[in-house]
Amino acid sequence: ETGVTQTPRHLVMGMTNKKSLKCEQHLGHNAMYWYKQSAKKPLELMFVYNFKEQTENNSVPSRFSPECPNSSHLFLHLHTLQPEDSALYLCASSLSRGRGGELFFGEGSRLTVL
Amino acid sequence: AQSVAQPEDQVNVAEGNPLTVKCTYSVSGNPYLFWYVQYPNRGLQFLLKYITGDNLVKGSYGFEAEFNKSQTSFHLKKPSALVSDSALYFCAVRDDSGGGADGLTFGKGTHLIIQP
Repeated sequence: ETGVTQTPRHLVMGMTNKKSLKCEQHLGHNAMYWYKQSAKKPLELMFVYNFKEQTENNSVPSRFSPECPNSSHLFLHLHTLQPEDSALYLCASSLSRGRGGELFFGEGSRLTVL
Repeated sequence: AQSVAQPEDQVNVAEGNPLTVKCTYSVSGNPYLFWYVQYPNRGLQFLLKYITGDNLVKGSYGFEAEFNKSQTSFHLKKPSALVSDSALYFCAVRDDSGGGADGLTFGKGTHLIIQP
């Protein structure tokens, strides 16, 4: 496999469930990102990790909990979500040397909260 | 703070005609600018970027973009549109200050519809 892989592609969960989204990159990058894409809204940056260390948390509610065990893997743990959290969650990676590097995105995980 | 504006929610173009998707930006320093495309139920695909140098940047699938510093714009263009170009297009920016692992700031996207 190459690129950025996200699993599952689709997830339906109740508000009391606990689930996790997984992202894996095979590009040798050292920075990884979670974005939220909701209908008719700009992409929202949620979290940034650089060499496994969290460098950015854009005031994301604590019901979203990221985990980055190494530079190739990124998780988003979900618990007690709300219906308004239903969205497409996109993972991306990039090289963190210099600021001109583009982000490479996965296909996304479509989350529906009932 | 940095921001991106894509003033058009939708752009309609006849197949074979030239297309333009507009983007303006705001950054405190110098901009690094990017265009992405998203097809239904897919992630974002990188098209092209401007870092420095020639103001006209060429990218994938025959797309190009022109950086205009005085107008703070980075419009996406293609000389002859294809029906397969129909998709959602995003402009993004990052300024040139700070570390290397900051996320990009995206516009809200423009739906491009190419009519046969």
